[in-house]
Amino acid sequence: DSGVTQTPKHLITATGQRVTLRCSPRSGDLSVYWYQQSLDQGLQFLIQYYNGEERAKGNILERFSAQQFPDLHSELNLSSLELGDSALYFCASSAFVRDEQYFGPGTRLTVT
Amino acid sequence: SQQGEEDPQALSIQEGENATMNCSYKTSINNLQWYRQNSGRGLVHLILIRSNEREKHSGRLRVTLDTSKKSSSLLITASRAADTASYFCAFYPGGGADGLTFGKGTHLIIQP
Repeated sequence: DSGVTQTPKHLITATGQRVTLRCSPRSGDLSVYWYQQSLDQGLQFLIQYYNGEERAKGNILERFSAQQFPDLHSELNLSSLELGDSALYFCASSAFVRDEQYFGPGTRLTVT
Repeated sequence: SQQGEEDPQALSIQEGENATMNCSYKTSINNLQWYRQNSGRGLVHLILIRSNEREKHSGRLRVTLDTSKKSSSLLITASRAADTASYFCAFYPGGGADGLTFGKGTHLIIQP
């Protein structure tokens, strides 16, 4: 158990809809990262927050957004969903910048 | 692309044998990490090697890093059925981005 929790485990929704994925980092970790894993693109970094502030952006679509709250949990919002957004979405946290990361179990999103 | 490349893509060996997988990258790094992923689950951090280190051990794992060749290898000795998983190398690319860049992974199968 990494100490990072993610909800929900599975999500099935239709094209055009909006969903919110939730992540709680390990106790004390200030950095939260979001990744997308799909068969064709592999594991891709989406966005990072550090102590409530956006710190780095990766290959995140404009339809996607995230935030980190004062209690350090984070949410990833995916809107106007397309079939190609079906993937595993992972949250990770770390104690320090550019350090080892601890991954949650992921949310499997299926867009039909 | 700054993505890492693992080699081989897949590896099948007998239980008890050693497994070696390689990773190449193109950017400068300050550390390189290896992660394991069991089918469809979250990633587990295995080992981190810093750019000023050449070799690091952790239990049955040995990692080497050659920054002149921009390559790393992961050796798993005395493999077990439970080692069956996908293994990814990951690093922080240059330019200040703080999300990990992952290779496509090596799928390791340990035959009992």
